[in-house]
Amino acid sequence: AQTVTQSQPEMSVQEAETVTLSCTYDTSENNYYLFWYKQPPSRQMILVIRQEAYKQQNATENRFSVNFQKAAKSFSLKISDSQLGDTAMYFCAYLAPPLFFGTGTRLTIIP
Amino acid sequence: KAGVTQTPRYLIKTRGQQVTLSCSPISGHRSVSWYQQTPGQGLQFLFEYFSETQRNKGNFPGRFSGRQFSNSRSEMNVSTLELGDSALYLCASSLTVPSYEQYFGPGTRLTVT
Repeated sequence: AQTVTQSQPEMSVQEAETVTLSCTYDTSENNYYLFWYKQPPSRQMILVIRQEAYKQQNATENRFSVNFQKAAKSFSLKISDSQLGDTAMYFCAYLAPPLFFGTGTRLTIIP
Repeated sequence: KAGVTQTPRYLIKTRGQQVTLSCSPISGHRSVSWYQQTPGQGLQFLFEYFSETQRNKGNFPGRFSGRQFSNSRSEMNVSTLELGDSALYLCASSLTVPSYEQYFGPGTRLTVT
């Protein structure tokens, strides 16, 4: 069974700093997709970044990048130059299908 | 392009009643998935529809059902509501299956009293 683990329930960082959110997963598949979703206080889930397991290169979207370690089954999200608007719950997800979500990390950006 | 819309946004029901939630996907998207979000259980998959056919179903009792119409709009129904059904119900749409890129709606907040 697929499981997704986020071991950091809460994190906070000063504005403009860099923060890394951790995620590990368990699967016996060789090819799969991983995602990071952001859920701000409005509760709207927003896709932040997607990684395809067969691609060696780590995905990047502007200030957001991932460190994908397939052998270690690790998929961390790095947010550079953090902004107040980055304050949200962040969910790591594995596409089986369907999507299996981790328990989330509540990230607070401090002005 | 308009995003995923869900109606109603908020709903209060009494235990034992039934409820129907609606989801309209992004234009051109043919797959709709439903998720339940609660503080205790987190985000859990309910079901996935593609071209009016249920493709996947999560581990929920038979009180939870859904359907998809020919225009890709989807409804989910919960019968005999229980207090534990209070949750945020999220709908997500994608172009096809597998749903490599799902776009979520704002959710329906259901409160059962």
